[in-house]
Amino acid sequence: GNSVTQMEGPVTLSEEAFLTINCTYTATGYPSLFWYVQYPGEGLQLLLKATKADDKGSNKGFEATYRKETTSFHLEKGSVQVSDSAVYFCALSDAGGTSYGKLTFGQGTILTVHP
Amino acid sequence: DTAVSQTPKYLVTQMGNDKSIKCEQNLGHDTMYWYKQDSKKFLKIMFSYNNKELIINETVPNRFSPKSPDKAHLNLHINSLELGDSAVYFCASSLAFSNYEQYFGPGTRLTVT
Repeated sequence: GNSVTQMEGPVTLSEEAFLTINCTYTATGYPSLFWYVQYPGEGLQLLLKATKADDKGSNKGFEATYRKETTSFHLEKGSVQVSDSAVYFCALSDAGGTSYGKLTFGQGTILTVHP
Repeated sequence: DTAVSQTPKYLVTQMGNDKSIKCEQNLGHDTMYWYKQDSKKFLKIMFSYNNKELIINETVPNRFSPKSPDKAHLNLHINSLELGDSAVYFCASSLAFSNYEQYFGPGTRLTVT
């Protein structure tokens, strides 16, 4: 079956530091890949997505590139802010078979950014 | 206007009770989902409906029963609540069930005492 593995957290950074959160996946078909963010006390919001190999998703200074050869979709940001403190989820969606596009999530990575 | 709304936001109840959570989306989407987030933040699909038809039914106790009266609404009824049901339940919707972005509601925090 499909699975997503994220780097263990929590991650603690100082403001303006560089962020990388690793994400690798296993899928039987040709999945779309997503990063969702959950701010404290809120639901999930889509941060960025990529639908095919070599696509780069980007939003709010965050980027991730769909790497089929390494089955990875690592999240990066060049300079984090305190307001980026949240839980980040890597996820895949596979429309093939009986998946019907359901999202399979990684375990989430808690990011805390200090001033 | 809220795209995906859930009621209630918080639900505290005792073991053995029956409770319902309601979800509504005003996006005109065909597909709706229920996810459960446990205390370690892990998210797992429970059910999905497409145009009022059940298309995903993961390994969930049959005490949980989803109902979709129309494609804008997906409710979750839970019978005989147990301590282990305590979690945050998220509703989501997407245009269709094929790799489209999913829009999430704010969640319902269920606490069973």
